[in-house]
Amino acid sequence: GEEVAQTPKHLVRGEGQKAKLYCAPIKGHSYVFWYQQVLKNEFKFLISFQNENVFDETGMPKERFSAKCLPNSPCSLEIQATKLEDSAVYFCASSPQVGANQPQHFGDGTRLSIL
Amino acid sequence: AQSVTQPDIHITVSEGASLELRCNYSYGATPYLFWYVQSPGQGLQLLLKYFSGDTLVQGIKGFEAEFKRSQSSFNLRKPSVHWSDAAEYFCAVGASQAGTALIFGKGTTLSVSS
Repeated sequence: GEEVAQTPKHLVRGEGQKAKLYCAPIKGHSYVFWYQQVLKNEFKFLISFQNENVFDETGMPKERFSAKCLPNSPCSLEIQATKLEDSAVYFCASSPQVGANQPQHFGDGTRLSIL
Repeated sequence: AQSVTQPDIHITVSEGASLELRCNYSYGATPYLFWYVQSPGQGLQLLLKYFSGDTLVQGIKGFEAEFKRSQSSFNLRKPSVHWSDAAEYFCAVGASQAGTALIFGKGTTLSVSS
């Protein structure tokens, strides 16, 4: 598609439950990024993929967070045993392979609410 | 450390007045600079980008930004603000390598008064 598609738009989970978020990048884009936005301002980088391979995971919490990008499937971000502090908007972005000066295109985000 | 600073948390501008949003960066390599806008409940829309060349770049919706290497700044400007410009504005910096994560400022909220 021509847009980064994130589902669901809003996800509510009780503390301790699992949360799984999905992202379909723009067709033909090779890089996928996940960012966490807390309190409507600060963006924190989590992880990026080059096709199905992890490219940079330096922002990924060591525990409870995992992500995948499998061929012919949306990418996913999964949080095990959610905590109140995981409440945030999670954005996915994608960019093309060719040309380092290509900007990242963002989806509309998934708002995760942990109760 | 690499960082982006947006000194103004909240700015209010009268409709029709000019606008300047400030952005300062700290980056070890040649920076690639971006301005994004976020409307309530929406994702980030790219306004403009700077990679090289002319330091004054034009973007969508009548926005422009000027890269000043000596001041490590990339300020966003618009000559005449419209009520629909009210939103959150984010400055971001990235590296030249494809796939590198962006570093964002904390954003500036723009309110437009009539």
